[in-house]
Amino acid sequence: QVQLVQSGAEVKKPESSVKVSCKASGGTFSTYAITWVRQAPGLGLEWMGRIIPILGVTNSAQRFQGRVKITADRSTSTAFMELSSLRSEDTAVYYCASVRIIGTTSFDYWGQGTLVTVSS
Amino acid sequence: QSALTQPPSVSASPGQSVTISCTGTSSDVISYNRVSWYQQPPGTAPKLIIYDVSDRPSGVPDRFSGSKSDNTASLTISGLQAEDEGDYYCSLYTSSSTWVFGGGTKLTVL
Repeated sequence: QVQLVQSGAEVKKPESSVKVSCKASGGTFSTYAITWVRQAPGLGLEWMGRIIPILGVTNSAQRFQGRVKITADRSTSTAFMELSSLRSEDTAVYYCASVRIIGTTSFDYWGQGTLVTVSS
Repeated sequence: QSALTQPPSVSASPGQSVTISCTGTSSDVISYNRVSWYQQPPGTAPKLIIYDVSDRPSGVPDRFSGSKSDNTASLTISGLQAEDEGDYYCSLYTSSSTWVFGGGTKLTVL
């Protein structure tokens, strides 16, 4: 069973950047993709992007293209999501989730979430 | 880009059944069995409860079931329990290799 542990809460100024980490354990990192999903206060889930660490391939939702950078360090089984040009609307809980590379396309396991607050 | 529409809220009494719909606006929902459902109790991370339209991960009670008809996927919860309260989201993996979520449905157990 995969366990995903995310970095702690962040408070950021508008126009700055934030980088959230997601460390995987209990599974084979090379058999999973890591996706990022966010949830603004009181709102629903929003898919942001994905990385397939073994291939280094990424893709993201159109609305985040140019602002989101998703990377992975296979040596530590850790994925990262960096969001730049932050604005107040980016205040949200950011989740990482694992998706099997082969087989289903569901988010099998989730991290605990990281609250990012954007405020001047 | 597909969009998925869910009812904002549903409610039922303990022991009853409830069905949550997830309607797609494109052929993506019709063509592929790439629909999954997530349960999110208040203040917690989402949890996978149905994948590939109707399959249940290990440990998910068989009170939860999924189905699909035309461009609508559905989640049915039978024998409702108080612990089933929370938000439920459908998700679709699209032909563009992206994912889209429904707006979410708040389930209240009366």
